[in-house]
Amino acid sequence: SQKIEQNSEALNIQEGKTATLTCNYTNYSPAYLQWYRQDPGRGPVFLLLIRENEKEKRKERLKVTFDTTLKQSLFHITASQPADSATYLCALGGAGGFKTIFGAGTRLFVKA
Amino acid sequence: NAGVTQTPKFRILKIGQSMTLQCTQDMNHNYMYWYRQDPGMGLKLIYYSVGAGITDKGEVPNGYNVSRSTTEDFPLRLELAAPSQTSVYFCASTPPGTRLYNEQFFGPGTRLTVL
Repeated sequence: SQKIEQNSEALNIQEGKTATLTCNYTNYSPAYLQWYRQDPGRGPVFLLLIRENEKEKRKERLKVTFDTTLKQSLFHITASQPADSATYLCALGGAGGFKTIFGAGTRLFVKA
Repeated sequence: NAGVTQTPKFRILKIGQSMTLQCTQDMNHNYMYWYRQDPGMGLKLIYYSVGAGITDKGEVPNGYNVSRSTTEDFPLRLELAAPSQTSVYFCASTPPGTRLYNEQFFGPGTRLTVL
């Protein structure tokens, strides 16, 4: 069955460093991959989308890579700040489909 | 725009009771979804709708029902609550322009406990 894996252990980094989160998937050939941010007690917020034919996408301090051969996406936050502390969810799906599959998320803590 | 709103924020039910979780969006989005989120697990799709009058099952529909009489509202009904339905429920919608890649706007969630 289709499976998404994100590191269940929290990631702790120092302010100013680059945070790198990993998303691996199996038994799937997605048309797109998304990253969402979720703060405690709130709903996820869409951050970035990368399509299957794209290798990299950037948005301000965020960078996403997508390797369909390795079946992996990396999510980078450069110059991290304590306000970046949250859970980050990876999601993927087929183009035009209605069923996006979500990973369980990785908790990020950025220390001042 | 208020975006996607959900009520109630919290609810405790007894086994066998029924309730409706409300979801409303004021962005004129055709596509709407209901998910549940359990600790340590990814969001699981319960039901979705592509427009008023059209609904379909997701990955975990058992024990739930939905209706979509208007574009704005997409209520989720629990008929006979069971402890396994203890979860956080999120409603989401997708703008028409991002439909191909399913960018979703989420509500704040409803935390439901069944005892």
